Amino acid sequence: EVQLLESGGDLVQPGGSLRLSCAASGFTFSSYAMSWVRQAPGKGLEWVSVISGSGGSTYYADSVRGRFTISRDNSRNTLYLQMNSLRAEDTAVYYCAKDASNAPLPMLDWFDPWGQGTLVTVSS
Amino acid sequence: DIQMTQSPSSLSASVGDRVTITCRASQSISSYLNWYQQKPGKAPKLLISAASSLQSGVPQRFSGSGSGTDFTLTISSLQPEDFATYYCQQTYSTPRTFGQGTKVEIK
Repeated sequence: EVQLLESGGDLVQPGGSLRLSCAASGFTFSSYAMSWVRQAPGKGLEWVSVISGSGGSTYYADSVRGRFTISRDNSRNTLYLQMNSLRAEDTAVYYCAKDASNAPLPMLDWFDPWGQGTLVTVSS
Repeated sequence: DIQMTQSPSSLSASVGDRVTITCRASQSISSYLNWYQQKPGKAPKLLISAASSLQSGVPQRFSGSGSGTDFTLTISSLQPEDFATYYCQQTYSTPRTFGQGTKVEIK
């Protein structure tokens, strides 16, 4: 069974940093691109970032580019999101999700499955 | 960015009803459209990919159709476990944008 388990969410002050992790199991981790998607409280879904299976290609939403860094350790089957210069508007549940293929941004793509999410709260 | 607009934003329906949710893209996205179901406090679940491909394990009362800019998710006979929020998502281009969601509530 494919499983994704996020961790690392916390309460952090504006301007602070946090690193999220997503532990994967049940599939060949290095063969799939992985994404982060967030959901602000009571709001809809927002794609944040994607990384290719090898880790060589990364892409970001404009709202986080230059502040967030996605990475992966294929030897540990773990995906990461390093979040710096956090703002109140970054407050959200952050989900990791398995992409449909190894390539980071194919047209034929979907997210399945998703982890259970981890809550990041940015507040003073 | 491609804007995805769902309608309605919410609806009330009874068990057994046929429910239709519409998703419109701001430009043509061919058939690169997915549908997800999200229940309160839970992660989204993929229902349909590529506009009409039902995922394994998803009940056949769910179906998707459309191409270009207009897409539809249909639930042929609403069941108690279907009360949730539904999102469409385009993967034609980056960023991968989602619709704002359609909340299906019990009448």
